[in-house]
Amino acid sequence: DADVTQTPRNRITKTGKRIMLECSQTKGHDRMYWYRQDPGLGLRLIYYSFDVKDINKGEISDGYSVSRQAQAKFSLSLESAIPNQTALYFCATSDSQTGSYEQYFGPGTRLTVT
Amino acid sequence: AQSVTQPDIHITVSEGASLELRCNYSYGATPYLFWYVQSPGQGLQLLLKYFSGDTLVQGIKGFEAEFKRSQSSFNLRKPSVHWSDAAEYFCAVGARGGGNKLTFGTGTQLKVEL
Repeated sequence: DADVTQTPRNRITKTGKRIMLECSQTKGHDRMYWYRQDPGLGLRLIYYSFDVKDINKGEISDGYSVSRQAQAKFSLSLESAIPNQTALYFCATSDSQTGSYEQYFGPGTRLTVT
Repeated sequence: AQSVTQPDIHITVSEGASLELRCNYSYGATPYLFWYVQSPGQGLQLLLKYFSGDTLVQGIKGFEAEFKRSQSSFNLRKPSVHWSDAAEYFCAVGARGGGNKLTFGTGTQLKVEL
């Protein structure tokens, strides 16, 4: 089984709809991240969480919210989806105890907003 | 704040030829540096990382990278490319004390001609 899973893998939704993307991990890592990937722009950080009670905005948090329901679960919500939120979304985890800074990525969720 | 530049958007090489992908970073101190690979439809996989010590680091799949402080570079190399290396490659930088946050470059798309 994959260590970092994302659901759904693909989603098409309409403008104005609320949508939630979910991320779960079995790695036991304390830190979790949400990125979006757009062609030619690389990965940009949306939100990150250092533990269940510590959630922080990244560089492009407008229009998004997150919830860290447990150490292993980190959800990303689009309250009212708009077409320019069409992108590939990745969840990632890291372990602060190792000091390695290495992040482990899920397979991604491809979101299309029409 | 740190930043990463990958000056080559697309690179095409013949199978068996050598490869070098460029990465330049901006950061006031010695950074943590990473190369990730993204195969089509997949998440990101770590190829290699530099934290300290030997400036030439070896990674998976026969890749290596060299940290050059004087040039603020961390170029990825492979002596002989295989068709399966066709993918998108991302360089990333982490700031020491930055809480495991990474800043990614915009990526280089590698095409391998048979």
